[in-house]
Amino acid sequence: KQEVTQIPAALSVPEGENLVLNCSFTDSAIYNLQWFRQDPGKGLTSLLLIQSSQREQTSGRLNASLDKSSGRSTLYIAASQPGDSATYLCAVPPTTGFQKLVFGTGTRLLVSP
Amino acid sequence: GAGVSQSPRYKVAKRGQDVALRCDPISGHVSLFWYQQALGQGPEFLTYFQNEAQLDKSGLPSDRFFAERPEGSVSTLKIQRTQQEDSAVYLCASSPWTSGNTDTQYFGPGTRLTVL
Repeated sequence: KQEVTQIPAALSVPEGENLVLNCSFTDSAIYNLQWFRQDPGKGLTSLLLIQSSQREQTSGRLNASLDKSSGRSTLYIAASQPGDSATYLCAVPPTTGFQKLVFGTGTRLLVSP
Repeated sequence: GAGVSQSPRYKVAKRGQDVALRCDPISGHVSLFWYQQALGQGPEFLTYFQNEAQLDKSGLPSDRFFAERPEGSVSTLKIQRTQQEDSAVYLCASSPWTSGNTDTQYFGPGTRLTVL
């Protein structure tokens, strides 16, 4: 059974810092890995999707890397801003069955002005 | 275009009541998912539809939970005889793909259910 863990559970940084969020998964036979953002009281917004054949994806100040063999992914946020404050979730499909996602518990990020 | 919409956004039910939660996926999306998110946790899979066919309901926690998508578009998640442990945010997601491929899932804002 696929299990996803995210570290740290919470992170507080001053504006402008670069930061890294970590995600690990137990079964490396994944199709892809997604990073989502969730704002309080709202649904999830997809940030980046990395296919299993890729090693990284970039979108603006965000860069996500994937190391399947070690079961790890990182989300790098450059020059953090208060608007980046949210919960960040990573998710992977299971190794069998349809593309339902298995989520981590998330990292709650607070960027202070 | 319009995203995934869910209604109601908030629902308060007394224990034992039945509730129905609605999801309107993005037009043309074949796949539809329901997830349950408890406070402080990541979403957990409940059930999956491909068009009108419910292909996976392995995540439904009990037979009190029932989902349908009769015409392959709008879906309803019904919870009978609600219990306090049903209190959570229920998220709906849709995706354009069918099978054997991977793509982003687009999530709605969720319905926050509180059972008193």
